[in-house]
Amino acid sequence: KAGVTQTPRYLIKTRGQQVTLSCSPISGHRSVSWYQQTPGQGLQFLFEYFSETQRNKGNFPGRFSGRQFSNSRSEMNVSTLELGDSALYLCASSQLGGNQPQHFGDGTRLSIL
Amino acid sequence: GEDVEQSLFLSVREGDSSVINCTYTDSSSTYLYWYKQEPGAGLQLLTYIFSNMDMKQDQRLTVLLNKKDKHLSLRIADTQTGDSAIYFCAGAISGQNFVFGPGTRLSVLP
Repeated sequence: KAGVTQTPRYLIKTRGQQVTLSCSPISGHRSVSWYQQTPGQGLQFLFEYFSETQRNKGNFPGRFSGRQFSNSRSEMNVSTLELGDSALYLCASSQLGGNQPQHFGDGTRLSIL
Repeated sequence: GEDVEQSLFLSVREGDSSVINCTYTDSSSTYLYWYKQEPGAGLQLLTYIFSNMDMKQDQRLTVLLNKKDKHLSLRIADTQTGDSAIYFCAGAISGQNFVFGPGTRLSVLP
């Protein structure tokens, strides 16, 4: 069974640009969660999608958004990029979400110049 | 909301046992998880324990849960250099998102 796939693995952008990250969950998993990992703040929850609906949201500004498609694949978008958005963005999938086991992809490393 | 704490560093000799500790604040956490992160990779699910259990063993890994003290530990027997990584504890409450600790960096000395 293929694991969680995140693309691209690395991305370099400049301030003010926008970016879209993609996540393909494990087959049969309907929940996708996104996290931001930085050395200073650790792992912070962005949002969770289940059956194309956002079910939970963390404490991030509206510049961070996401969506989920009918095949459970998910994308997250960050608009008007700031230097502080440089981070490893991790996606995790789960069969039912909530407190059920989550399986992570290898992440997208986003660097803002 | 839930808050999860861990010590930041642990150093052990190869072949010894490692014990990584974690404390959490919300007794509503129904599942408690241990993840491992190696450089350049995402988080690998190691094991988890349901809140009505006290202990779970899985090969070299033993998880102990003390609900009264809200304390969770992960013991790695016969620690190897390949176990060097960052270990994250996470609490999960039904209907809510995971809350991760800051991670414990385990260094295994030859």
